[in-house]
This record gives sequence, C-alpha cells and structure tokens, in this order.
Amino acid sequence: DTGVSQNPRHKITKRGQNVTFRCDPISEHNRLYWYRQTLGQGPEFLTYFQNEAQLEKSRLLSDRFSAERPKGSFSTLEIQRTEQGDSAMYLCASSLVAVFEAFFGQGTRLTVV
Amino acid sequence: GENVEQHPSTLSVQEGDSAVIKCTYSDSASNYFPWYKQELGKRPQLIIDIRSNVGEKKDQRIAVTLNKTAKHFSLHITETQPEDSAVYFCAATPLGGGFKTIFGAGTRLFVKA
Repeated sequence: DTGVSQNPRHKITKRGQNVTFRCDPISEHNRLYWYRQTLGQGPEFLTYFQNEAQLEKSRLLSDRFSAERPKGSFSTLEIQRTEQGDSAMYLCASSLVAVFEAFFGQGTRLTVV
Repeated sequence: GENVEQHPSTLSVQEGDSAVIKCTYSDSASNYFPWYKQELGKRPQLIIDIRSNVGEKKDQRIAVTLNKTAKHFSLHITETQPEDSAVYFCAATPLGGGFKTIFGAGTRLFVKA
C-alpha cells in the first residue's frame, strides 16, 4: 500500500495518560499535515510540516500537544495528560510541494475514558 | 478568524437528480479550493479541486464553480447515483501564506434509489 498510513487505528486511553500516534506519508511527499475531526464536523487543522520543519501550528494545538517529523519522513503526534475533550479522529495527510492535492490517511480514533 | 461555511448540512435527492452544495469562505487569501468525499468510517478523498484563477472545472458528473469576488464556491453533482451517498466537505487554502486548509462542516448527501 503506497498511501498514507497511520498507526494505531484505534486507541483507548484513560484520562491523564499520554498517547502517541504515528503517520507515514506517501514516500516522496515533503508536506505533512495533522488534522483533528470530531463527529459531524470537518477536519480541523492542527499543524503542518515541510520536510522536517514545523511551519505552522493552530491555536487548537495546546501545550499538551506536540508533533515531530525528525527526518522529514514519518511524523508523530503526542498528546500529554489526555482529557476527554481530546477524543476525536486524528487524521494525517501528505502532499508534494508542487502539487497541492493532499492525500489523507485512515486516521487514528482516540477515545479518552 | 478564517471560516468556511457550508450548506446544506443534509441533502436528500432521488437517484438521477442533481445535487448542489454551496460554500462561502472568509479569508481573501484563499486561492485553492478542494472538495473531499468521506464515506462512513473511511478517509476523506479528494474528488475535485479548483484554483482561484479558474471559474469553473468539470470532471464527468462533478463540477465546481468559484466566484472569488463573492467568496462563494459550489459543487454540482449531476445524474446522482446511490454510491454518491457520503459526506462532502469543501475547503479553502491560502497557498501563498501557508497551508492551513480550513474545512466546512460537511454535507451529508443521501441518494435514494
């Protein structure tokens, strides 16, 4: 499968625990995006990387959220001290610099209990 | 802040009829407008996109129109089929000043056989 891959697909965690999600973009794509989607809503932008540089972060991304893309390939999104309000689908997407079409992964569904 | 409004939230049509979904955006710097289709439990998939230097684009049964002056853009699906049933999201992206794509809240389209 040469598409965007996200792991895990589902994560259930207790409130206060830390969680980390991984995204593997399409191999030649140098842009990578994280979005959050809650039920009945469109994806909300969280952050964006070009290669290894994190170029933009949404105000939605509180201090408990951190994202990395250390080698410009895969990316991780960590949520510390999870809260019930963090329950959502976390989507990753990637694109090429010269082509603006973004391809989404299947997402990681986080449930905080 | 940046905002994309999408209407209607739900649309039910008879098979073979046309469906129209409308969006407005607030950020005048937006110049790329993708439309995504998301089936239940699946990833959003790009179905058509348009850039601000184009007023209309068509791909088989799907067409998108853009009125940059009024900040309106619309998706038109003709000869609808049951497999068109899904949630459709419009989005707006400022390509020059960053890649923070803002999505609409979605339109749930039901095509009745």
